[in-house]
Amino acid sequence: AQSVAQPEDQVNVAEGNPLTVKCTYSVSGNPYLFWYVQYPNRGLQFLLKYITGDNLVKGSYGFEAEFNKSQTSFHLKKPSALVSDSALYFCAVRDAYQGGKLIFGQGTELSVKP
Amino acid sequence: EPEVTQTPSHQVTQMGQEVILRCVPISNHLYFYWYRQILGQKVEFLVSFYNNEISEKSEIFDDQFSVERPDGSNFTLKIRSTKLEDSAMYFCASSGTSDIYNEQFFGPGTRLTVL
Repeated sequence: AQSVAQPEDQVNVAEGNPLTVKCTYSVSGNPYLFWYVQYPNRGLQFLLKYITGDNLVKGSYGFEAEFNKSQTSFHLKKPSALVSDSALYFCAVRDAYQGGKLIFGQGTELSVKP
Repeated sequence: EPEVTQTPSHQVTQMGQEVILRCVPISNHLYFYWYRQILGQKVEFLVSFYNNEISEKSEIFDDQFSVERPDGSNFTLKIRSTKLEDSAMYFCASSGTSDIYNEQFFGPGTRLTVL
């Protein structure tokens, strides 16, 4: 069965510092990996995805993610955090068939302090 | 930019009552989903819908739940007889073509409170 783990419930970063939100996955077959962000009282917003190709994926709002097949990881990164990046971040893997559901990790709350 | 919309934003109901949560997916999308998120827990898949029928459903999606696309734009989730444990945020999502690589676009959610 496909699964995703986010080992940290919370990540605290100072504004201007780099941030990393960790995600590891377990899939049979090729992984289709996604990051979503959830701001308070809002829905999930798509940030970026890895399907194939370059291991470094760039997404919205200056975020990027590094796919590492040997470590089965897909960590979300940003070189310089903003206070407005504070939100709940979800990693997800998609079932590899048409219309496949997303399987989410438990989420990581990112807090960026001024 | 097109977006998924959901109504109502908050629904309060008594245990045992029926509720219908409504969603308007992005207009040219073909795949529709419902997910839920119990407070403090992860987002869980409920059901996927394609070509006017359920493609897949989770264990959560029992006989009390049903989905419908009554016209060309709305996608609804009905809970026939609500339980306390149905209290959650319910998200509708849609995705575009048959390309399996497409991301899903989520609505803002409906917070369901069952008393």
